[in-house]
Order: sequence, then structure tokens, then C-alpha cells
Amino acid sequence: GENVEQHPSTLSVQEGDSAVIKCTYSDSASNYFPWYKQELGKRPQLIIDIRSNVGEKKDQRIAVTLNKTAKHFSLHITETQPEDSAVYFCAASTGTASKLTFGTGTRLQVTL
Amino acid sequence: DAGITQSPRYKITETGRQVTLMCHQTWSHSYMFWYRQDLGHGLRLIYYSAAADITDKGEVPDGYVVSRSKTENFPLTLESATRSQTSVYFCASSESLRGDRGETQYFGPGTRLLVL
Repeated sequence: GENVEQHPSTLSVQEGDSAVIKCTYSDSASNYFPWYKQELGKRPQLIIDIRSNVGEKKDQRIAVTLNKTAKHFSLHITETQPEDSAVYFCAASTGTASKLTFGTGTRLQVTL
Repeated sequence: DAGITQSPRYKITETGRQVTLMCHQTWSHSYMFWYRQDLGHGLRLIYYSAAADITDKGEVPDGYVVSRSKTENFPLTLESATRSQTSVYFCASSESLRGDRGETQYFGPGTRLLVL
């Protein structure tokens, strides 16, 4: 089955700096890659996703890049703010039954 | 977000007891999922369902039972709870799969389960 690895497990950045979280996947048939943000004690919420026919997608300060050849994708957050502090999860899906395989999460801490 | 709810939100039980976690969605989504979240493991799929009366195992199904008699409900039962099942449980749902596209999953608020 699919295996998703996520790095780093923790990331601390200063407010205004950029943050990058990287994920690799094993199943070359995977074609959907969402990113979820989970604040403390809350549910995971989708922040951005990308499909395999696209190499990059942006939404304001958030961007995701996908390299199908290398089987990795990354989340980029620019101009970080304290409210960006949370745990971020990447995931991959082959589209079969919409099953997602999640990475183990990255705890992002944005310091003042 | 209000379209998918879970109950109870918190549950304390003892080893060996049967526990049922409820999940209800109002979007008429075909797909529903149960995950458990543990530190260091992220979100792991327990069971999922493609439609009423259709269920299938995920990554960690042992010790759990599911049913889906109605599209909107997807209860998860721990037949004989063990301490290792102490976790946060999330239910999720997504729209019908079209073609080969993956679909966005929307999560419920979670149930925190403590097995003593």
C-alpha cells in the first residue's frame, strides 16, 4: 500500500519567515495530494490540495509543489504569522475509494 | 463543518467494555471514514464505507467493527476495549468518487477515548 513520509516533525520559524514542509510518497499511482492543518484540540481542516496533472498551486500565502518523477510534494508558507502555528499533515490518494494515507505530521511553531 | 458530527466528544471506559462511537453527516456524502490519531502516527484509517451496507478495512481494523445501514450514519464499535485503543477518533466524509479523482475529506470534531 501507499506510504507517506513527512519531514520535519517539528519546525520553528520566526514571524515573517517562510516555512517548508516536505513529503514523499511510494505509490506512483497516487494522484491527489491534500494538506491539512490541525490546531490544538481541533479537527484537521483542508488548507490546499493538488492533483497530479498540476505542478504547483498557490492560495495567498500558501503554495504546494508536486514532483511526480521524484514522488515528493511540499507545502510552502510565506510571511508566517502566529496563527499559522499548528500541526500540518500531508496525504496522498490514488483516488480509489478516496482513501487517504497521511504523513505523521509537522508541528509548526511561529515565534514572535 | 457543522455537517458532520460525532458523539460522544469524550468517553472514559474500562478494559473489556463495548463502546460505540457515533458519526452523522448531513451532506449525503457517499464515502465515510474512521481514523484514529495517536502521537507519532498521524491519522490512521480504521474502516471506510463507500455507501450504505458497503464497508471495508483500512490500515488498523483489528478490534473494531463498523456498520452503515443508513448513508448518514457510520458508527464505530470497539467490541472489547483495550488500553491500546485509547486515542482520538475522527470520522470523515467525502463526496462520491468520480472518475479517478480523489475527493476532499471533511472531518468531524473528534472523540477522545480513554480506556482504563
